[in-house]
Amino acid sequence: QVQLQESGPGLVKPSQTLSLTCTVSGGSVHTDVYFWNWIRQPAGRGLEWIGRIYRSVTTNYNPSLQSRATISVDSSKNQVSLRLTSVTAADTAVYYCVRKRGRGSFDSWGRGTQVTVSS
Amino acid sequence: DIQMTQSPSSLSASVGDRVTITCQASQDISNYINWYQQKPGKAPKLLIYDGSNLETGVPSRFSGSGSGTHFTFTISSLQPEDIATYYCQHCDSLPYTFGQGTKLEIK
Repeated sequence: QVQLQESGPGLVKPSQTLSLTCTVSGGSVHTDVYFWNWIRQPAGRGLEWIGRIYRSVTTNYNPSLQSRATISVDSSKNQVSLRLTSVTAADTAVYYCVRKRGRGSFDSWGRGTQVTVSS
Repeated sequence: DIQMTQSPSSLSASVGDRVTITCQASQDISNYINWYQQKPGKAPKLLIYDGSNLETGVPSRFSGSGSGTHFTFTISSLQPEDIATYYCQHCDSLPYTFGQGTKLEIK
């Protein structure tokens, strides 16, 4: 059974770049079957889809992030990464690494990692 | 973007009650909707995919229905462990969006 584990700094200063890594175990990130996604959730609020990567190279992002997000894969480490530039307090949230199956169901989630943007 | 309007935002019910949550899409999404359960401090869990398909291992008291723009999620007999927030999510097109959530409490 696949497991996803997010990691990264819990505190990022405004205007800097947020970098998170998702380590995948029990399955390969280089697959034709699944998409790898990042989803975030501000405290006490709903879920926002950030973007996805497929076959290690094809990416799509939420336009709401105004081109600040980049998702990549390191097949040698079986990891998926997220970079979010020019962060503000509005980017404070729990960030989840999530596998998408089929049409668009998110069937496996990491535990999430809290990121706070503050000086 | 497709907007998912979920109602109610909160709901109080008794053990054994039938509970219904609705989600309205801003445009036709066929049956491309999924439902998730999120308990406090935990990641969401997929319960229903593609409108009405029960995810493996999910109890049969959970069900989903609907097509087009109007969708329903039902718990046939509420159990204490069902206390959580429930979200709908469309997968018709990018960007994927979620409903605002329904917080379910025991009366």
